[in-house]
Amino acid sequence: NAGVTQTPKFQVLKTGQSMTLQCAQDMNHNSMYWYRQDPGMGLRLIYYSASEGTTDKGEVPNGYNVSRLNKREFSLRLESAAPSQTSVYFCASSETLTGGFSDTQYFGPGTRLTVL
Amino acid sequence: GQQLNQSPQSMFIQEGEDVSMNCTSSSIFNTWLWYKQEPGEGPVLLIALYKAGELTSNGRLTAQFGITRKDSFLNISASIPSDVGIYFCAGQKNAGNMLTFGGGTRLMVKP
Repeated sequence: NAGVTQTPKFQVLKTGQSMTLQCAQDMNHNSMYWYRQDPGMGLRLIYYSASEGTTDKGEVPNGYNVSRLNKREFSLRLESAAPSQTSVYFCASSETLTGGFSDTQYFGPGTRLTVL
Repeated sequence: GQQLNQSPQSMFIQEGEDVSMNCTSSSIFNTWLWYKQEPGEGPVLLIALYKAGELTSNGRLTAQFGITRKDSFLNISASIPSDVGIYFCAGQKNAGNMLTFGGGTRLMVKP
């Protein structure tokens, strides 16, 4: 039982390149999330998927797209990377979004992205 | 934008000392969570609080849900070197709402 896994662990891109960050969870969770973490800023929500087939914008969605491929997988795409997108990206999942303990989010190990 | 203020931003303490950190907000949250992040890893949930005034322990860690629902506190007793990391608070206003995270408290422990 791996929990939440993310690939790749590290990535360096040039400005304008595109890439997709992959996330998978094996906890049969319904809800999944993408965050970015910048120094001193805590975690900021980019997009989330409350359940398979739905996605919604979070606090900082500009420059990103997401796909909830199936119940297990939730990918984050940068179509044209910019230096401002240099960050650590975390995927998380929770059982549901209905409140209480079932909303508890479990995080993956992160992807460290540098855009030159 | 970020609505949770964590303090202190960093702490450098001697092994064996107790640690206190807090998280405050200008608005009410109905769930408070405390996470720990070690270098190169994602945040790991330590304690979840669901009721105002609630006091919950997890080993040497104790967290409290402030009575006003605008703050929460985390205490670590008798710190050890493996307590090193960044501690984040997170609040949820209502069921179905997203988490709001604080900026983190970086804890360093000197053996």
